[in-house]
Amino acid sequence: GQNIDQPTEMTATEGAIVQINCTYQTSGFNGLFWYQQHAGEAPTFLSYNVLDGLEEKGRFSSFLSRSKGYSYLLLKELQMKDSASYLCAVRDVTDKLIFGTGTRLQVFP
Amino acid sequence: DAGVIQSPRHEVTEMGQEVTLRCKPISGHNSLFWYRQTMMRGLELLIYFNNNVPIDDSGMPEDRFSAKMPNASFSTLKIQPSEPRDSAVYFCASRRTGDSNQPQHFGDGTRLSIL
Repeated sequence: GQNIDQPTEMTATEGAIVQINCTYQTSGFNGLFWYQQHAGEAPTFLSYNVLDGLEEKGRFSSFLSRSKGYSYLLLKELQMKDSASYLCAVRDVTDKLIFGTGTRLQVFP
Repeated sequence: DAGVIQSPRHEVTEMGQEVTLRCKPISGHNSLFWYRQTMMRGLELLIYFNNNVPIDDSGMPEDRFSAKMPNASFSTLKIQPSEPRDSAVYFCASRRTGDSNQPQHFGDGTRLSIL
């Protein structure tokens, strides 16, 4: 079966660091994506991992451990505009993306 | 560059009516995906096409749903007859295959309400 787990909600303070975890169990693996989705808008691509390790892109970093079926998205120097839902998605060998239900992050001043 | 274009942005109709959602993928993208998003179930893949050919429609909920891609620049998702439980946001996404790190790019979605 296919299963992707993320926390439902998280809160953090402006300027802080937050880590959003994602665990997955899928029948195949061909990369893991993180998307950001503001309320009422489309998901937008943040990061992609296919090999183990950390990928850094400005204030955002994403980590992958394939042996553990685990990824996290790290957001540094949080800003109010980072309040959004963060979706973890695994691509299977048929090119389909399987999405988690998303983590709603609220950043407070 | 234009992104994925979906129409209409909002649709409100009565149950039993036919609903047609439209999508124009990004030029040069050869894979197209239709998703449905609800609070309860999140983002679910309904069907996807590669080079205009349906590859996997296992996510299509039932026979009331159908999708076509007559050419590389246009796709439709049709619901007939529509039911209140079909109310959701429907997203179309496209991607250029052949490069594994290419993400799917999403349109702004169609917010569908069936009364």
